[in-house]
Amino acid sequence: QQQVKQSPQSLIVQKGGISIINCAYENTAFDYFPWYQQFPGKGPALLIAIRPDVSEKKEGRFTISFNKSAKQFSLHIMDSQPGDSATYFCAARGGGADGLTFGKGTHLIIQP
Amino acid sequence: SAVISQKPSRDICQRGTSLTIQCQVDSQVTMMFWYRQQPGQSLTLIATANQGSEATYESGFVIDKFPISRPNLTFSTLTVSNMSPEDSSIYLCSVEGGQTYEQYFGPGTRLTVT
Repeated sequence: QQQVKQSPQSLIVQKGGISIINCAYENTAFDYFPWYQQFPGKGPALLIAIRPDVSEKKEGRFTISFNKSAKQFSLHIMDSQPGDSATYFCAARGGGADGLTFGKGTHLIIQP
Repeated sequence: SAVISQKPSRDICQRGTSLTIQCQVDSQVTMMFWYRQQPGQSLTLIATANQGSEATYESGFVIDKFPISRPNLTFSTLTVSNMSPEDSSIYLCSVEGGQTYEQYFGPGTRLTVT
């Protein structure tokens, strides 16, 4: 049973555009929702995270939108740049577990 | 954030052998985790390793196959035992930063079993 569903699997965005990646979760006990960025040959790097008591969090060009009633959250990358081309993973933590449950990932390509 | 190193960075091993992966953190942390990332896939939690207690394994992972040690607050090892080609993956350790739930990952160990 996949507890965190991520879409799209791949995404191509023009430079300067907005990249949007969506995730949905099933376990209402999740209480922490991070996003990770991974470049080939590297470990995932924490980008931004949110708790369910807020609906939005912004850090620079990265914004998380959170909809608790719909059990959905999304990552918005504003003014997307070629250097943002990477694989992005959403994740969730909670429900008695300390580790993270990851989505399947989105391969993002920013075209110059 | 914590600085995490892993050794080896990559290895090619024969089936039936075992490999021990080391994870070193530059600060003391309570919670450490081991994940597996199969080629082109997502990350799957193998186990949680807290100092002073037995590791807690996720469904589908057993101690006989993936024994873990956590001798102190800055170090852990994961052994992949009796390897088969299906064990070819990237193995990553991560640590949790105090009370924030933030998890930071090491660079990973790329394992190929032939």
